Amino acid sequence: EDQVTQSPEALRLQEGESSSLNCSYTVSGLRGLFWYRQDPGKGPEFLFTLYSAGEEKEKERLKATLTKKESFLHITAPKPEDSATYLCASGNTGKLIFGQGTTLQVKP
Amino acid sequence: SQTIHQWPATLVQPVGSPLSLECTVEGTSNPNLYWYRQAAGRGLQLLFYSVGIGQISSEVPQNLSASRPQDRQFILSSKKLLLSDSGFYLCAWSVDPGTEAFFGQGTRLTVV
Repeated sequence: EDQVTQSPEALRLQEGESSSLNCSYTVSGLRGLFWYRQDPGKGPEFLFTLYSAGEEKEKERLKATLTKKESFLHITAPKPEDSATYLCASGNTGKLIFGQGTTLQVKP
Repeated sequence: SQTIHQWPATLVQPVGSPLSLECTVEGTSNPNLYWYRQAAGRGLQLLFYSVGIGQISSEVPQNLSASRPQDRQFILSSKKLLLSDSGFYLCAWSVDPGTEAFFGQGTRLTVV
């Protein structure tokens, strides 16, 4: 069965304290691995697509990487405005399958 | 550019009442359309997806249904709401099935 698992469920960081979020997947016919940011009460905002192992994408303080079984979202020197829930999803031939998300809180 | 509109933003409905949530996409043709539900503190559960007009795939058996009367319009309905239907409903679109999807702002539904 296709599955996406994210860890940790919640993460608290001090401003400037770098860390990584994990997304492991088992999906047949993978068409891409996607990262989203979701603020409370809002729809998810698309961040990155990764297609193949070894690929990396960057945006400001965020960098996403992909292996054959996992993806990582690295957050470098986070700021309080990076606080949000980060979702990853895998795409197979018909749909996106989402993980449960990691809720990140960055304290000043 | 493409935009997705979803309404209403919030809705409070009594148990047993009907439901109709609407989603429209602008700036693209023949999008793949999705309805997701998100329970508090949980991930997104795919409810329905559509690859074309009148083509609906259901992922979760329940008292909800979906329709796609026009190319860029997707409607989520229920004849009689249950308390368990409360949640955050999200519409999304993508160019191709299984590729990155773009979401609307969601509808917070509370069934009382």
